[in-house]
Amino acid sequence: GQNIDQPTEMTATEGAIVQINCTYQTSGFNGLFWYQQHAGEAPTFLSYNVLDGLEEKGRFSSFLSRSKGYSYLLLKELQMKDSASYLCAVSDSNYQLIWGAGTKLIIKP
Amino acid sequence: ETGVTQTPRHLVMGMTNKKSLKCEQHLGHNAMYWYKQSAKKPLELMFVYNFKEQTENNSVPSRFSPECPNSSHLFLHLHTLQPEDSALYLCASSQDSDRSYNEQFFGPGTRLTVL
Repeated sequence: GQNIDQPTEMTATEGAIVQINCTYQTSGFNGLFWYQQHAGEAPTFLSYNVLDGLEEKGRFSSFLSRSKGYSYLLLKELQMKDSASYLCAVSDSNYQLIWGAGTKLIIKP
Repeated sequence: ETGVTQTPRHLVMGMTNKKSLKCEQHLGHNAMYWYKQSAKKPLELMFVYNFKEQTENNSVPSRFSPECPNSSHLFLHLHTLQPEDSALYLCASSQDSDRSYNEQFFGPGTRLTVL
């Protein structure tokens, strides 16, 4: 079966750094996406990785290791507005997105 | 503004009612999707349309009936739903549905409650 695992909830302090992990087992791999979803709002695209390594975009970075079936999202200089759920999704052999259940990130002052 | 709109935003219906959810995308995309999002569960893909043709139906019960009259509009017709169908229903669109880089743009969702 296909499976995406990520922690249910994480807590971090404003100004700090947090790493949200995602492991996956899918039938085929055509890239990994990270989305952000604020409560009551639509998911919005953060990053896409298809090759191994780190992709940096401002305060957010995403890492991929295809051999390990592993990715992480790194958030630096945390702000209160970063409180949200972070969704990991893998594009499988049919280009369909397989989603994790999301990690709820709570930022404390 | 995400470019994908959904109406209504909230819907309460009885198990014998018939209602429809509407989605419209203004991004010129060719693919549209319906997802179900339940609390603490992964997004569940329900239907995929590419160039108005349904390409995926992930074993969705027949009480959910999609309609895609053109590439910009997508409907989800609901009838004789069950309380466990209560969830957030998200519509999304992407350039196409059969490519590696398939960034999906989501609407705000319809919060459905079935009594």
